Amino acid sequence: TQLLEQSPQFLSIQEGENLTVYCNSSSVFSSLQWYRQEPGEGPVLLVTVVTGGEVKKLKRLTFQFGDARKDSSLHITAAQPGDTGLYLCAGESGGSNYKLTFGKGTLLTVNP
Amino acid sequence: KAGVTQTPRYLIKTRGQQVTLSCSPISGHRSVSWYQQTPGQGLQFLFEYFSETQRNKGNFPGRFSGRQFSNSRSEMNVSTLELGDSALYLCASSIEDSYGYTFGSGTRLTVV
Repeated sequence: TQLLEQSPQFLSIQEGENLTVYCNSSSVFSSLQWYRQEPGEGPVLLVTVVTGGEVKKLKRLTFQFGDARKDSSLHITAAQPGDTGLYLCAGESGGSNYKLTFGKGTLLTVNP
Repeated sequence: KAGVTQTPRYLIKTRGQQVTLSCSPISGHRSVSWYQQTPGQGLQFLFEYFSETQRNKGNFPGRFSGRQFSNSRSEMNVSTLELGDSALYLCASSIEDSYGYTFGSGTRLTVV
């Protein structure tokens, strides 16, 4: 069974601080996706990383895929209250799997 | 461009009843997946359909079933509802051979 462990589970910070969220597994994934979910809504895709060692930047968000394609991190610079939400990592094994394995998420609260 | 539409948004059912949830994917998306989200277990994969064929099924009892129609719309059915089936049920659609999924806002099912 493939598992994705996310840490930390909860994070409460002040506006302007930096933070990093981690997503780790013992399994290799063909791609790793990051989503943000707000209360009462479905997850929204932020980024997909597919190549080991890949780094993608999306404004203040930086995503990295580990060299072995088993782990990933999300770094937010100068967090804002609008960044508040549940951040979920999800791995796709590829081939004929057709499913995402989700971590349990990091609930981020950015206080003004 | 319309997103993924799930109906109904909220549903209250009694133990032992059955329920049908509906999902209309983004136009042109032929892959539809279903996930169950609970506070304790997070997002768990139910099943995935492509061109009316179920390609993968998660580890859920046979009370959970689904289908996809020729227009790619999908339904999932849960029979003999149990209290533990209370959850947010999310549908996601994607284009074949691309990474990343678009989720609907979900159906919040409460079993009493």
